[in-house]
Amino acid sequence: DIQMTQSPSTLSASVGDRVTITCRASQTISSWLAWYQQKPGKAPKVLIYKASSLQSGVPSRFSGSGSGTEFTLTINSLQPDDFATYYCQQCNSYPWTFGQGTKVEIK
Amino acid sequence: QVQLVQSGAEVKKPGSSVKVSCKASGGTFSNYAIGWVRQAPGQGLEWMGGFIPMFDIAHYAQKFQGRVTITADDSTNTAYMELSSLTSEDTAVFYCARSGMEDAAPLHFDNWGQGTLVTVSS
Repeated sequence: DIQMTQSPSTLSASVGDRVTITCRASQTISSWLAWYQQKPGKAPKVLIYKASSLQSGVPSRFSGSGSGTEFTLTINSLQPDDFATYYCQQCNSYPWTFGQGTKVEIK
Repeated sequence: QVQLVQSGAEVKKPGSSVKVSCKASGGTFSNYAIGWVRQAPGQGLEWMGGFIPMFDIAHYAQKFQGRVTITADDSTNTAYMELSSLTSEDTAVFYCARSGMEDAAPLHFDNWGQGTLVTVSS
């Protein structure tokens, strides 16, 4: 199985900060990576797919980059609505796997 | 806009089975893939398996192999996830999610159900 490792596990930031979350795959997954945002008690919501494509309706302050085994999610100018947990997921091959999550907290 | 509507919360005894449904309201699963994701209390997301109706093929995570069955009923636009031999470790919220298809392969999850809480307790 492909292991997905996110860092950091928790991130404290302030409104207006630029935030970067990293996701590493244990083997190459080309660009078959998605990023999801999840708020407490809610279903996850896709932000980025194919590593760098912005899902329709998602604010442009979210961006993704990377290919192969190293990926990043960047949030420019963090907004109050962005405090949540973020997960990466590989959909290159079965079984699909998620990273363990990164919680973005208010500093 | 298709909405995925899941069945309600369940309380089950250890050793029993649970079957959770996921209905596509305003659309179908025909040209999509369906996945199921488990989230234990306070924990992360765990992919359990997926089903591709157009190929009638299911894939399961090794962890759940032999205990989980994912199916879909085209006539009612409803997908199902059945999990057997339940233990307290299976207490979790279970989500269904839909994937678009590209070149006969499923893409990311672009549409999620609201989640179904399954509590396993004696």
